[in-house]
Amino acid sequence: GAGVSQSPSNKVTEKGKDVELRCDPISGHTALYWYRQRLGQGLEFLIYFQGNSAPDKSGLPSDRFSAERTGESVSTLTIQRTQQEDSAVYLCASSLESRRLDFGPGTRLTVT
Amino acid sequence: GIQVEQSPPDLILQEGANSTLRCNFSDSVNNLQWFHQNPWGQLINLFYIPSGTKQNGRLSATTVATERYSLLYISSSQTTDSGVYFCAVGSGGSYIPTFGRGTSLIVHP
Repeated sequence: GAGVSQSPSNKVTEKGKDVELRCDPISGHTALYWYRQRLGQGLEFLIYFQGNSAPDKSGLPSDRFSAERTGESVSTLTIQRTQQEDSAVYLCASSLESRRLDFGPGTRLTVT
Repeated sequence: GIQVEQSPPDLILQEGANSTLRCNFSDSVNNLQWFHQNPWGQLINLFYIPSGTKQNGRLSATTVATERYSLLYISSSQTTDSGVYFCAVGSGGSYIPTFGRGTSLIVHP
């Protein structure tokens, strides 16, 4: 079946602009995660959604970052007033009942 | 939060060699996974293995939860095994996996 998809695959934006990244999880997966990976680094947790529960936002680095999820489907990650340190690959993963994670291909964000 | 340490940080092999990657963690776990990130950046889930042993082709993994470590074995390595291998663990009431820093593997033909 279809895996996790993310769009856009690449995004170049000017410092100070807002960006919106999209994630389509695997159908039926109740949990959805956003991670960030800076060049040559490991994965940094951002936010976690599980069903209709309140999201765990403990990893969001600043109030410029926010995310939404509609039911158990699409999620969007929004970064306002982008800064150069926001440049990274943003990875989305989904799982069934918060167990085995399946990752999407990521969105590479470059802030100039 | 839980600490995850992977070793070695870097590994270079000739095709056909075997290797063992290690993941140590600082607390009891409810969730442990191994991932391979290929040179194009895609993360592939290799194993979901909070305890016990699993095998998939040339790869196998063992988690000894009571001693707080997991091992990933790669046998008869191939150039396509190159990339970064990550261990990710969740502990306590959290189902948010914490990732280690990874082991970077290069397999030469």
